Amino acid sequence: GDSVTQMEGPVTLSEEAFLTINCTYTATGYPSLFWYVQYPGEGLQLLLKATKADDKGSNKGFEATYRKETTSFHLEKGSVQVSDSAVYFCALSEAAQKLVFGQGTRLTINP
Amino acid sequence: GAVVSQHPSWVICKSGTSVKIECRSLDFQATTMFWYRQFPKQSLMLMATSNEGSKATYEQGVEKDKFLINHASLTLSTLTVTSAHPEDSSFYICSARRDRDSYEQYFGPGTRLTVT
Repeated sequence: GDSVTQMEGPVTLSEEAFLTINCTYTATGYPSLFWYVQYPGEGLQLLLKATKADDKGSNKGFEATYRKETTSFHLEKGSVQVSDSAVYFCALSEAAQKLVFGQGTRLTINP
Repeated sequence: GAVVSQHPSWVICKSGTSVKIECRSLDFQATTMFWYRQFPKQSLMLMATSNEGSKATYEQGVEKDKFLINHASLTLSTLTVTSAHPEDSSFYICSARRDRDSYEQYFGPGTRLTVT
C-alpha cells in the first residue's frame, strides 16, 4: 500500500538557518503530495501541495518540489524563524481519497 | 473560513465507560468527515471515513463496534469510544472535507482521551 517516510526528529535549528526536512513516498499510482504543519495547540493546516511531477509547492517561504524520479517531496526554507517551530507532516493522496501521513517531524527554532 | 472544532479538547474516563467526541465544521458544510488516531511521536492513522447520512467506512483493523461514528448532519460528526480501556488512550483528530472530489481536508485541534 501507499506509504510516506519522513526524516525523524526532533530537529533543532537557530533562527535564520536553512531548513530541509526529507520526505519520500511509495505509491501505486500518481499521488498528490502535501506538507501539513501543526502548531502547538492547533489542528493540522495545509502548508503547501503539488499535484504532479516537477510541480513546486510554496507558501510562507517554504518550498517543496515533486520529484517523481526519486519519489521525494523534501521541504525547504532558506531562513527559518522562531514562529516556524511546529510539527511538520508529509502526506500523499491518490485520486482525492484518504490522506496517508508520514510520522511527523518536530521542528524547534531557537532565537 | 474552514474552521473545524472538536469537543472536548481532553477527557479522562474510567475503564469500561463510554465517551463521545464531537467534531463540527463551523463555517462550511462537510460532505465527508474523517477520524484519525495519533499515538505519541507517531503519525496520524486514519480510523474511518464518514459521509453525511450514510454508514462510516472503517479502515482495516479498526473495530466498528468499539468506535461508533455518527455523521448526523453536514456540520457534525461524533465518535463514541464504547467500553473504553487504557489501550484506547490516545489523541483523536477529526477532519472535514467540503467536496467529495477535493483532496483538501480541514483539521480539528484534536481530543486527548485518557482511560484510567
